[in-house]
Amino acid sequence: GAVVSQHPSRVICKSGTSVKIECRSLDFQATTMFWYRQFPKQSLMLMATSNEGSKATYEQGVEKDKFLINHASLTLSTLTVTSAHPEDSSFYICSARQETNQPQHFGDGTRLSIL
Amino acid sequence: GNSVTQMEGPVTLSEEAFLTINCTYTATGYPSLFWYVQYPGEGLQLLLKATKADDKGSNKGFEATYRKETTSFHLEKGSVQVSDSAVYFCALSGLSGGSYIPTFGRGTSLIVHP
Repeated sequence: GAVVSQHPSRVICKSGTSVKIECRSLDFQATTMFWYRQFPKQSLMLMATSNEGSKATYEQGVEKDKFLINHASLTLSTLTVTSAHPEDSSFYICSARQETNQPQHFGDGTRLSIL
Repeated sequence: GNSVTQMEGPVTLSEEAFLTINCTYTATGYPSLFWYVQYPGEGLQLLLKATKADDKGSNKGFEATYRKETTSFHLEKGSVQVSDSAVYFCALSGLSGGSYIPTFGRGTSLIVHP
């Protein structure tokens, strides 16, 4: 149980393109979903926290207009990287949590490469 | 705010060696503690968890004990295998600024040689 599906797994596109990444909880309802960016040498950076039906809470330094997050239902959250540039190239990972203080369940990540 | 500190890697071991990856935390109240594992090119998977002091989480031969007195949650395995090579993240979920926000350590890379 507790499966999170993240799609697509890899995207390669031209500079200026907008890219949408989906995160779905397949067998549980996720009251909270998280979006991370993972840099080289492993560190995970929390970008934003989204609760179903409300606006996402962004971490300091993350551009809200650049990284649009929508959490329309208890099983789906999307991250849209708008007008992506090469510096946005990274590994993006989502996670979902059913209740507070419970473990997160992670998607397999999306490797985004902007040419 | 909450924080997690784990030992820097990489940790390089021979197969069947004993593994310890240290993790200490700072948090208010009584957080839940987790270890996640990330295999190359994949997302993170929950390895084990502990929700209160003196709890021991265990899975796949790995163990970690929630030590409130030392604010630690060290990961151990008695005999590592090559397939254990991965990055291990210590994490906590605790109250911060009115919300339960997860906090991760920087990750420790484990390399196991045959």
